[in-house]
Amino acid sequence: DAKTTQPPSMDCAEGRAANLPCNHSTISGNEYVYWYRQIHSQGPQYIIHGLKNNETNEMASLIITEDRKSSTLILPHATLRDTAVYYCIVRERSNDYKLSFGAGTTVTVRA
Amino acid sequence: EAGVTQFPSHSVIEKGQTVTLRCDPISGHDNLYWYRRVMGKEIKFLLHFVKESKQDESGMPNNRFLAERTGGTYSTLKVQPAELEDSGVYFCASSRRGTSPYNEQFFGPGTRLTVL
Repeated sequence: DAKTTQPPSMDCAEGRAANLPCNHSTISGNEYVYWYRQIHSQGPQYIIHGLKNNETNEMASLIITEDRKSSTLILPHATLRDTAVYYCIVRERSNDYKLSFGAGTTVTVRA
Repeated sequence: EAGVTQFPSHSVIEKGQTVTLRCDPISGHDNLYWYRRVMGKEIKFLLHFVKESKQDESGMPNNRFLAERTGGTYSTLKVQPAELEDSGVYFCASSRRGTSPYNEQFFGPGTRLTVL
């Protein structure tokens, strides 16, 4: 079962930053925060993951609060192609299996 | 590097028939997973192979579903007999094994199954 809470939907203007929140108040010390997204008619796609430090890659940035009970995925310059369902997932890194997808956040980027 | 491929992309069958879905993981990936999204529901884990061995099949809904991965390469998921509630999108994913920090799962495009 999903251990995270995300808003069901959000809109974002093209070219602006999109900030996607996620609550994971029951996260334990050995659990990582992963983000995936699913663009319509495609399979889920890995975006980024982190444990306690902020992380950045070519797709996004992940900001994790100091108490690790929440995080924010930042898409720095949203494009129309970023329209997708975004999933915040908590899992143990040592268990290389079983992603538990919740309902996610449907992000619509508007021109 | 070729991604995860799935065949067929769509399948329409009648209730009671048999359907076999195929997944080809990324070459060299020991881990292979099956997930599905039935109508209106969330994506759910079905099972996990490590090479040819079933590591976890706790998500398999019932004994009408049979997954195999002979030789540790491609995998098949057979539904026999299919029921209406089996309709949905079936995703396959693969990942490397080991201590790589990038052991994310790479997903295929899915097979859309419609049972009439």
